[in-house]
Amino acid sequence: NAGVTQTPKFQVLKTGQSMTLQCAQDMNHEYMSWYRQDPGMGLRLIHYSVGAGITDQGEVPNGYNVSRSTTEDFPLRLLSAAPSQTSVYFCASSYTTSGTGELFFGEGSRLTVL
Amino acid sequence: LAKTTQPISMDSYEGQEVNITCSHNNIATNDYITWYQQFPSQGPRFIIQGYKTKVTNEVASLFIPADRKSSTLSLPRVSLSDTAVYYCLVGDVYGGSQGNLIFGKGTKLSVKP
Repeated sequence: NAGVTQTPKFQVLKTGQSMTLQCAQDMNHEYMSWYRQDPGMGLRLIHYSVGAGITDQGEVPNGYNVSRSTTEDFPLRLLSAAPSQTSVYFCASSYTTSGTGELFFGEGSRLTVL
Repeated sequence: LAKTTQPISMDSYEGQEVNITCSHNNIATNDYITWYQQFPSQGPRFIIQGYKTKVTNEVASLFIPADRKSSTLSLPRVSLSDTAVYYCLVGDVYGGSQGNLIFGKGTKLSVKP
């Protein structure tokens, strides 16, 4: 099984550009989420979804959009990138709808905004 | 939502037992406690989960006192490969947290030879 797959692994953007970070899981998990990780800040929750068609905001949702049209995919969109969004982004999924079963993480996507 | 507090860093030597404590004073009745390990340039991975008393698996033990306001991850006989950041996460497996899972800042464990 592939588990949780994130693409791209690395991306450089200019301020104001848009892009989408892709996340796909093949475990039929209902719960999916996005975190960002910055030095000394741990993991901060951006958005999460407890099932197809359902999304909600986490701690730091500003500047990011998500949608969940299928169980497998949970893309994260940056509509107008800012240098403050330079970070490592992790997607996670879980078999329980609250996400408090075992969370499976992707390998991360490192984004640099110039 | 239960917030967690952990030491920022800990040092140990190979072969020692390491105990990392997490405080979660406002833990709710339905909350479980889960620990994750993260190596540099990788996503976190599940170590152990528990509700009360003691849980043990092949890599760690988790001790939870009766009041559940703290928990301790115990790593027996650590090796250099245990150098990582360890996160404590508290949440409701019955959906009470509604998926809003907040990690703390983690504890950076450094194991020296």
